Amino acid sequence: NAGVTQTPKFRILKIGQSMTLQCTQDMNHNYMYWYRQDPGMGLKLIYYSVGAGITDKGEVPNGYNVSRSTTEDFPLRLELAAPSQTSVYFCASSYFTDRGYLNTGELFFGEGSRLTVL
Amino acid sequence: KNEVEQSPQNLTAQEGEFITINCSYSVGISALHWLQQHPGGGIVSLFMLSSGKKKHGRLIATINIQEKHSSLHITASHPRDSAVYICAVRGTYKYIFGTGTRLKVLA
Repeated sequence: NAGVTQTPKFRILKIGQSMTLQCTQDMNHNYMYWYRQDPGMGLKLIYYSVGAGITDKGEVPNGYNVSRSTTEDFPLRLELAAPSQTSVYFCASSYFTDRGYLNTGELFFGEGSRLTVL
Repeated sequence: KNEVEQSPQNLTAQEGEFITINCSYSVGISALHWLQQHPGGGIVSLFMLSSGKKKHGRLIATINIQEKHSSLHITASHPRDSAVYICAVRGTYKYIFGTGTRLKVLA
């Protein structure tokens, strides 16, 4: 199993450009998340999805958009890139069930995408 | 005040030393996670626990729900343990992350 796959690993953007960070998981997880990691800060939630067709904002959604058309894919779109979006982005997935199984909720991360906006 | 606080922020140890990293939180949780991030690398899950203690190799994680505190111990530390260790707490399906403890183990 590949787990959570993110692309690209590195990208440099000019101010005002747009791009999409791709995220795919092959574990049939229902929950997927996008986080950004800034120096000295904990991971901050940008957007999350509880299943195909359902997405919601996290703590820092401004300047980003997501979609979840399939269980596997959860792309993050950056519109009109700004220097404040320079960060490392992580996609993650997890499985939750309302049956309360003890093993649910383990978090699996992609390798991260380092984005620089100049 | 952050909802998840880790200490210390930075830690340097000699190979073979016993290491403890602490995590305190101020919110109700259903589980606590310990994660490891190598320099320039991805993040991997080490432990998920909601009570008591778990052990995996040289790593031990404990949690005290009443005191809202968890510790990650590394026995017989090795340079390959050098990484950032992140504590995260989970309510229902959202996670709150600490800022991490940067560990360097010297040979």
